[in-house]
Amino acid sequence: GAVVSQHPSRVICKSGTSVKIECRSLDFQATTMFWYRQFPKKSLMLMATSNEGSKATYEQGVEKDKFLINHASLTLSTLTVTSAHPEDSSFYICSARGRTYEQYFGPGTRLTVT
Amino acid sequence: GNSVTQMEGPVTLSEEAFLTINCTYTATGYPSLFWYVQYPGEGLQLLLKATKADDKGSNKGFEATYRKETTSFHLEKGSVQVSDSAVYFCALSDDGGTGRRALTFGSGTRLQVQP
Repeated sequence: GAVVSQHPSRVICKSGTSVKIECRSLDFQATTMFWYRQFPKKSLMLMATSNEGSKATYEQGVEKDKFLINHASLTLSTLTVTSAHPEDSSFYICSARGRTYEQYFGPGTRLTVT
Repeated sequence: GNSVTQMEGPVTLSEEAFLTINCTYTATGYPSLFWYVQYPGEGLQLLLKATKADDKGSNKGFEATYRKETTSFHLEKGSVQVSDSAVYFCALSDDGGTGRRALTFGSGTRLQVQP
């Protein structure tokens, strides 16, 4: 149990376009989901905390107008990278908090902006 | 703020060798400490955790002891296998076990085990 999926697993887009990444908790409800960004050989950096039915809380330095987060249901949160640029290329990982308060991680989405 | 420091990799070992991956942390209060493992192409999986000082977390032959006096949570395994090849992340949480706050991660250590 406690599986988190992400879609797509890989995406390549052109500079200036927008990309949506989905994070789903498959067998549990998640009131809180977290979005992280992982740079090569670097740690996971928290981007924002997503709470179902309310606005996301963004970490300092993360542009909320560029990284749009929507947590419309208890099993789905989406991250939209708007007007993507090559510097947005990264590995994006979500996690969802289950009933036992443990966090379960998705497999990640590799975004490449050309 | 909170921070986690772990040894840089990659760590390359022969099968059945002893493994230690060092992890130290900085945090206010009494955080919970975790080790996550990320196998190629997969998401992070919780390997073990400890929630208070002197606790020992263990799983799949791995273990780590929460050392408050040295602010450390080193990961050890007595005899590694090729299947243990992965990236290992040390992390902490200061949310009192509520899961309301995100984890603070170390930079990850890649382990390569050769047959």
